[in-house]
Amino acid sequence: GENVEQHPSTLSVQEGDSAVIKCTYSDSASNYFPWYKQELGKRPQLIIDIRSNVGEKKDQRIAVTLNKTAKHFSLHITETQPEDSAVYFCAASIRRGGGNKLTFGTGTQLKVEL
Amino acid sequence: NAGVTQTPKFRILKIGQSMTLQCAQDMNHNYMYWYRQDPGMGLKLIYYSVGAGITDKGEVPNGYNVSRSTTEDFPLRLELAAPSQTSVYFCASSYLGQRSLGETQYFGPGTRLLVL
Repeated sequence: GENVEQHPSTLSVQEGDSAVIKCTYSDSASNYFPWYKQELGKRPQLIIDIRSNVGEKKDQRIAVTLNKTAKHFSLHITETQPEDSAVYFCAASIRRGGGNKLTFGTGTQLKVEL
Repeated sequence: NAGVTQTPKFRILKIGQSMTLQCAQDMNHNYMYWYRQDPGMGLKLIYYSVGAGITDKGEVPNGYNVSRSTTEDFPLRLELAAPSQTSVYFCASSYLGQRSLGETQYFGPGTRLLVL
């Protein structure tokens, strides 16, 4: 099955700096790559996603890049703010038959320091 | 729309007891999922459903059962609770069209389960 690895496990940045989180996946058939943000005690919420037919997507301060050849994708957050502090999860899925199962990475604890 | 709702929010079970975690969505989504999240870890898929009457196993199905009699509801059943099932359980739903490569999964607020 699919295996998703995520790095780093913790990331501390100064407010205003950029943060980058990287993920690799194992199954070249994966075609959908969402990123979720989870605040302490809350549910995961989608912040951005990318499909295999594009290489980059941006939404204000957040961007995701996908390299299908290398089987890795990255989350970029610019001009970080304290409210960006949370755990971020990457995921990958394959649309096969009737299924669309997400495999999650183990998460990155991002701390934005003042 | 209430989105995805889950009950209860928190439950303590004794070893060997059984319970059903409830999940409902009012967005007319065809796909529904159950995940568990252990402390400091990512989410792991337990079971999922592509529509009423159709369910399939995920990565960690042992010790759990599901049913999907309606589009809206997707309950998760624990028959013989074990300490290893202590976790936070999230239900999610999404709508996938025939040509979708993937669509947003919307998560419920979670159920925190402690088995002692």
